[in-house]
Amino acid sequence: QKEVEQNSGPLSVPEGAIASLNCTYSDRGSQSFFWYRQYSGKSPELIMFIYSNGDKEDGRFTAQLNKASQYVSLLIRDSQPSDSATYLCADFLSGSARQLTFGSGTQLTVLP
Amino acid sequence: DGGITQSPKYLFRKEGQNVTLSCEQNLNHDAMYWYRQDPGQGLRLIYYSQIVNDFQKGDIAEGYSVSREKKESFPLTVTSAQKNPTAFYLCASSMGGGTEAFFGQGTRLTVV
Repeated sequence: QKEVEQNSGPLSVPEGAIASLNCTYSDRGSQSFFWYRQYSGKSPELIMFIYSNGDKEDGRFTAQLNKASQYVSLLIRDSQPSDSATYLCADFLSGSARQLTFGSGTQLTVLP
Repeated sequence: DGGITQSPKYLFRKEGQNVTLSCEQNLNHDAMYWYRQDPGQGLRLIYYSQIVNDFQKGDIAEGYSVSREKKESFPLTVTSAQKNPTAFYLCASSMGGGTEAFFGQGTRLTVV
């Protein structure tokens, strides 16, 4: 069965530090990868997506993809208390299945 | 405004009843998804549809049914066969082909 695994946390970092969130996926057919942020009681919102090996930066967020190691990560620089949320990793499997599958999420707390 | 609308926001179901959750999008997206989220857990895929009049089972389809008669609508019915339906239900849509998905605000279903 196709799986997306995340370090379950919870993860705590001080304000201003770098938060590192990690995710591995089981199926080499996965072609697209997404990071979502979910505040308690709310629906997930898209932060980043990445399709190619390497790094992709957007403001304080950097997504990193290594297809050979089947590994995707999210770095949050200059973490703020407002970044405290659950972060969900997802991948999209191409081919006949074409599913969007989520990991279990990592809860991040940024301490003032 | 373009977006995904789920209704109702809160729903209460008696034992043995079928209930239908609504999901409508005006983004002209081809793909639509239904997920279930239990407290402290990630998102589990119930059903997905990549095109009108076609849908596939996800990982936890038992006790649920869907239809996709129109591109903009993807209702989910929680049947009496679903023994533990209390959860947060999320609908998402995307352009398809591995592009990013966007979520509605969710429906909280409680069995009373």
